[in-house]
Order: sequence, then structure tokens, then C-alpha cells
Amino acid sequence: KQEVTQIPAALSVPEGENLVLNCSFTDSAIYNLQWFRQDPGKGLTSLLLIQSSQREQTSGRLNASLDKSSGRSTLYIAASQPGDSATYLCAVIGIQGAQKLVFGQGTRLTINP
Amino acid sequence: DTEVTQTPKHLVMGMTNKKSLKCEQHMGHRAMYWYKQKAKKPPELMFVYSYEKLSINESVPSRFSPECPNSSLLNLHLHALQPEDSALYLCASSSRRSGVGETQYFGPGTRLLVL
Repeated sequence: KQEVTQIPAALSVPEGENLVLNCSFTDSAIYNLQWFRQDPGKGLTSLLLIQSSQREQTSGRLNASLDKSSGRSTLYIAASQPGDSATYLCAVIGIQGAQKLVFGQGTRLTINP
Repeated sequence: DTEVTQTPKHLVMGMTNKKSLKCEQHMGHRAMYWYKQKAKKPPELMFVYSYEKLSINESVPSRFSPECPNSSLLNLHLHALQPEDSALYLCASSSRRSGVGETQYFGPGTRLLVL
């Protein structure tokens, strides 16, 4: 059974810092990995999708990497801003079974002005 | 347009009520999903529709009844709910059932409170 873990559970940093969020998964047989952002009480916003054949994806100040063999992904946020404060979720879709998104517990990020 | 809309935004219902949640997308997507999210937890998949047919039911109690009348619309009918069913209900869609390269787009959710 696929399990996804995100470390740390919460992170608080001053504005302007670069930071890394971590995601690990137990079964490397995945189709893709997706990073989402969720503001309190709101829906999920898709940030980046990395297919299993890719090593990284970039969008603006965000860069996500994927090391499928070790079951790890990182989300790098450059020059953090208070507006980046949110919960960040990673999710994988496995090749086996029901092909559904399996989410980590999320990292709650706070950027202090 | 990558928008998934959900109505209502908030819903309060008693345990004997019948209500429905509605989800709509006009991206031409053929896969639609219902998720349930409790506070400070990740979303949990409930149902998946692929080409208007139910393809996954994650052992959800029968008091939740999904319906996909057409490729743009997804409903979740609620009946005789329990207080523990209070949660944020999220709808999502993707161009086809999730596999290689498929991004799921989520709606803003319906906040449900069962009294």
C-alpha cells in the first residue's frame, strides 16, 4: 500500500528566505507526483505535476524535483513571500491498484514579514 | 478556463434532511472525483466517475449517493448523515481518469455541517 510522508509538518521562516519542503513515498511505481497548495478552508490549487519520467519541473519561484528510485520529491520555494503561507500537499498516483491520488499529510508553511 | 465550480459554498443540515452538492466543469474533462477532507487532514477519495460511469467507490456509506448526469456535472446526494460527516467536500476533474500526465483540478469545496 502506497504511503506518502511530508516533513516537516509545519515550517515558519522569515520573508525572503529560500526553503525546501520534502515528500517521500514508499512505492516507486508511480505515474506522476503532484504538488498542491491549500489556503485555509479553500480548495486545492495545483502547483506542479512531475511525470515519472521527469526529474524536475519549474514554475516561477517554484521548483519541484523527483527521484523516483529513492521515493523522494522536494519542492523548492525561492525568495519566499507572506503570500506563500499555506499548506502544501504532495500526492502520487501509483501504477498498481486503483490509480488514485494518495496524499501526504501536508506541510503548513508560514512566511513571517 | 481551468475552473471547477461547486455549490453551495456552505451547507448546514440536520440528520434527517436530504440535500445535494453540485459540481460543474466546462473543460471537457471526462473524469470527475469527490473527496472528503476533515480539518488538518489531507483529502480522502470517495468516488471516481470516468466517462459518466462510476469507476471507483472507496467503500463509502450508502448515505452518500453520487450521480453524474452528464460529462460536465457531478452531484453528491446526501441523506441521513451523521455529525461525523461534517467536513469540506471537494470535487475535482481531469481530462481522463488519472494516469500519466493527468493534472487534477479542484473546486473550492462545500463546507458541510451536520447537526
